[in-house]
Amino acid sequence: QQQVKQSPQSLIVQKGGIPIINCAYENTAFDYFPWYQQFPGKGPALLIAIRPDVSEKKEGRFTISFNKSAKQFSLHIMDSQPGDSATYFCAASIGTSNTGKLIFGQGTTLQVKP
Amino acid sequence: KAGVTQTPRYLIKTRGQQVTLSCSPISGHRSVSWYQQTPGQGLQFLFEYFSETQRNKGNFPGRFSGRQFSNSRSEMNVSTLELGDSALYLCASSLHGNTEAFFGQGTRLTVV
Repeated sequence: QQQVKQSPQSLIVQKGGIPIINCAYENTAFDYFPWYQQFPGKGPALLIAIRPDVSEKKEGRFTISFNKSAKQFSLHIMDSQPGDSATYFCAASIGTSNTGKLIFGQGTTLQVKP
Repeated sequence: KAGVTQTPRYLIKTRGQQVTLSCSPISGHRSVSWYQQTPGQGLQFLFEYFSETQRNKGNFPGRFSGRQFSNSRSEMNVSTLELGDSALYLCASSLHGNTEAFFGQGTRLTVV
C-alpha cells in the first residue's frame, strides 16, 4: 500500500526524443506527487510536482500527466538533451497531513544520446 | 538563498563505531527529513523532525536516531555501525513538511 512502482528501470533516447517515465501507486490517500532529478554525486533536485486535482502540469520541457482513476502518473521530457541524462525519481506523500515523509519509486536512469 | 547544507560530505568509519551527520536546512524551513539511499533499496525514509520533535519515523532499527535544534538544524546518529549502513544519507528541508522538499548533497558514509 505504501509502495510507488516506477518503470522503466533504464531508458536510452536520442537527442530531441521524448522519454516517458511511469509511476503507479496503491494508496489513495497520497495526494502530492513530486518528481526529482539526480545527477551522480548530487542530491535529488525537485523538478516538478502535481496534486490530483489536475490531470497535467507543465514546467518548461517537463510535463506530468496524472490519471487519478488508474492511480498512475508519468513524466514526459520534451526535446530531451544530453544534459538531461540523470536518474529520475517519482515520489508520493500525503500532502495534506502534517508529515514530510516521501515514498520514492526505484528510479529510472535516463541516457540521452547526442 | 542558501540551500540545504550537509556535513561532512564523505565519511569512512569502522564497524562498531558510531557516527553523527549534520544538516542545516534552508533558512525559514522548520521540517527536516532524513533518507538513506543505496543501490539496492533506493531512497528510504528514516525520520522527520519538525520544531524539535520527531514527527514521523521510517522502518529502521533503533541504532538510527536524530534530533533537531531550536534553529532547525538537525543531526542524525548511527550507533554500532554495520557494513550494510554504507550509503548516501540525504536530508531534505521544507517549510512545514507537507510542502516542497529540497535535498542537500548528502553525506557518503562508508563502513569498513
